[in-house]
Amino acid sequence: NAGVTQTPKFQVLKTGQSMTLQCAQDMNHEYMSWYRQDPGMGLRLIHYSVGAGITDQGEVPNGYNVSRSTTEDFPLRLLSAAPSQTSVYFCASSWTGDGYTFGSGTRLTVV
Amino acid sequence: QQQVKQSPQSLIVQKGGISIINCAYENTAFDYFPWYQQFPGKGPALLIAIRPDVSEKKEGRFTISFNKSAKQFSLHIMDSQPGDSATYFCAASGSTGGGNKLTFGTGTQLKVEL
Repeated sequence: NAGVTQTPKFQVLKTGQSMTLQCAQDMNHEYMSWYRQDPGMGLRLIHYSVGAGITDQGEVPNGYNVSRSTTEDFPLRLLSAAPSQTSVYFCASSWTGDGYTFGSGTRLTVV
Repeated sequence: QQQVKQSPQSLIVQKGGISIINCAYENTAFDYFPWYQQFPGKGPALLIAIRPDVSEKKEGRFTISFNKSAKQFSLHIMDSQPGDSATYFCAASGSTGGGNKLTFGTGTQLKVEL
């Protein structure tokens, strides 16, 4: 039982490059979310999903895309990376929409 | 606009002491209030949570106190231990209108000294 798996753990991108952060959960959770964590700002919601085929924007969605084609996977796409997107990204999932289980994070640096 | 305000930003407590972290919220549609604990290099982990139909919830050394009229809630760590040194986040979400979106406070770095 792996829980929430995020890949890669570390990534360096050049400005303007695109990439996909992967998130997979094996708990059959309907609710999944993406957060970014920046010093002094806590965790801010980027996008979230309440089930396969259903996504919605969070607090800071600009520059990011998501899709949810299966219950297990919820990838986050950076369309054109900018230095302001340098952050630690966390994926989380929940059965009820309350108690979320978090992955171990992806540390992204955009140069 | 920050919907969940957390204080203090950092806290140093002696071993065996009580650690207290406070949060205040604005959105009256919030109906679920969890606390998360995060160690360096790890993802946040759910510590304890409360709903507004009770004023206090205790799990071991961790207690949430909730004041609905003041829109405030706090985490108390009794008999604080060095292993409790971590960053703590309060959060809030609402099942109606909020779509279970979890809104976090800015975090409190707790250090428990020997």
